[in-house]
Amino acid sequence: SAVISQKPSRDICQRGTSLTIQCQVDSQVTMMFWYRQQPGQSLTLIATANQGSEATYESGFVIDKFPISRPNLTFSTLTVSNMSPEDSSIYLCSARSTGVDGYTFGSGTRLTVV
Amino acid sequence: DAKTTQPNSMESNEEEPVHLPCNHSTISGTDYIHWYRQLPSQGPEYVIHGLTSNVNNRMASLAIAEDRKSSTLILHRATLRDAAVYYCILRVPFGSSNTGKLIFGQGTTLQVKP
Repeated sequence: SAVISQKPSRDICQRGTSLTIQCQVDSQVTMMFWYRQQPGQSLTLIATANQGSEATYESGFVIDKFPISRPNLTFSTLTVSNMSPEDSSIYLCSARSTGVDGYTFGSGTRLTVV
Repeated sequence: DAKTTQPNSMESNEEEPVHLPCNHSTISGTDYIHWYRQLPSQGPEYVIHGLTSNVNNRMASLAIAEDRKSSTLILHRATLRDAAVYYCILRVPFGSSNTGKLIFGQGTTLQVKP
């Protein structure tokens, strides 16, 4: 199955700034997703990153706050914009390859907003 | 999205079998049952999935009730490395409007005692 690299692995950011998280997959994948996981909680799906078109956002998440790019079949970025302390969380990238049973997840980006 | 219900936590002794239950009474005929686990400080890891028949792989077995309203993940001999949060997820078919996304519930925290 695919291997996912996420950068950065962690960051501490000032409120009001933006952070872009990169997700690189070692092979072409059909689907990519972005999740958020708050401390001690389960994963919440933010959006599906669509190759060559706008991402599909879940209820409660908007493009202005979490712009997503997916320029090709192996790479995606998630930007957390105009950050506040409430955005402090772990952000994870996930991908699925055709013909592969499971979905692969990155190790996550631990974001702290101060 | 169809919902799953799992116990918040379970305990097991090392080298004994573990049966992790999941209820999904609103499952539709085409939803796949997926299991993932998340070790501390890591992204989720695929364990197993099935549709109607019981499934076995090198990690675990999946027993699916005849009416598909419940399933059980079976770890045949628990080790300390199996201590994790286990998620039971219903995945809608590809090609639907939900694009095969995974929606995580709260999961079961498994403790393994030596």
